[in-house]
Amino acid sequence: DVKVTQSSRYLVKRTGEKVFLECVQDMDHENMFWYRQDPGLGLRLIYFSYDVKMKEKGDIPEGYSVSREKKERFSLILESASTNQTSMYLCASSSSGLAGVYNEQFFGPGTRLTVL
Amino acid sequence: SQQGEEDPQALSIQEGENATMNCSYKTSINNLQWYRQNSGRGLVHLILIRSNEREKHSGRLRVTLDTSKKSSSLLITASRAADTASYFCATGGFKTIFGAGTRLFVKA
Repeated sequence: DVKVTQSSRYLVKRTGEKVFLECVQDMDHENMFWYRQDPGLGLRLIYFSYDVKMKEKGDIPEGYSVSREKKERFSLILESASTNQTSMYLCASSSSGLAGVYNEQFFGPGTRLTVL
Repeated sequence: SQQGEEDPQALSIQEGENATMNCSYKTSINNLQWYRQNSGRGLVHLILIRSNEREKHSGRLRVTLDTSKKSSSLLITASRAADTASYFCATGGFKTIFGAGTRLFVKA
């Protein structure tokens, strides 16, 4: 069974802390994504990666960075957590298709981060 | 504003009834996808419809696509309590854009 796992289901951090959210997929997918989900706003793309060591900014990259040293692992880093980063964070992966063809994304269970 | 916008925002029906959700988008697409999210969990892919298709079925799901109106609908027939979830449409390639979702509540 295909799987995307996230390091924590719930996380509580303090303002100013450095936060690492880890995501691992076992499907040998090229593409990985980080989203945040807030009520009424749907999912917003933070960063995505289409290959090891490659990254692209999504719609809301400010305050975040990412790391992809291995194909199966994609980390989201909050350099200095702030209260407005309290949210549900979702990781996803997908395989690469033909240009312009979108393949389904497989999601992890999410990490609910609270920044106090 | 978002590429995909679902309508209604929330829907409450009785078990056995059909549920219809709509999605509108703004730019041209290659395909459109629908996802389901159970409370507090990740999203699960339901169905993909390509831009040259008008209708697609998968079990109790029926999706239609009208590219001239830039809209899609998801119909769940004979709903069950287990269908209670949020449903999202998604468009785009790498930079996939999800709508805000429709919250469906099916009463037993």
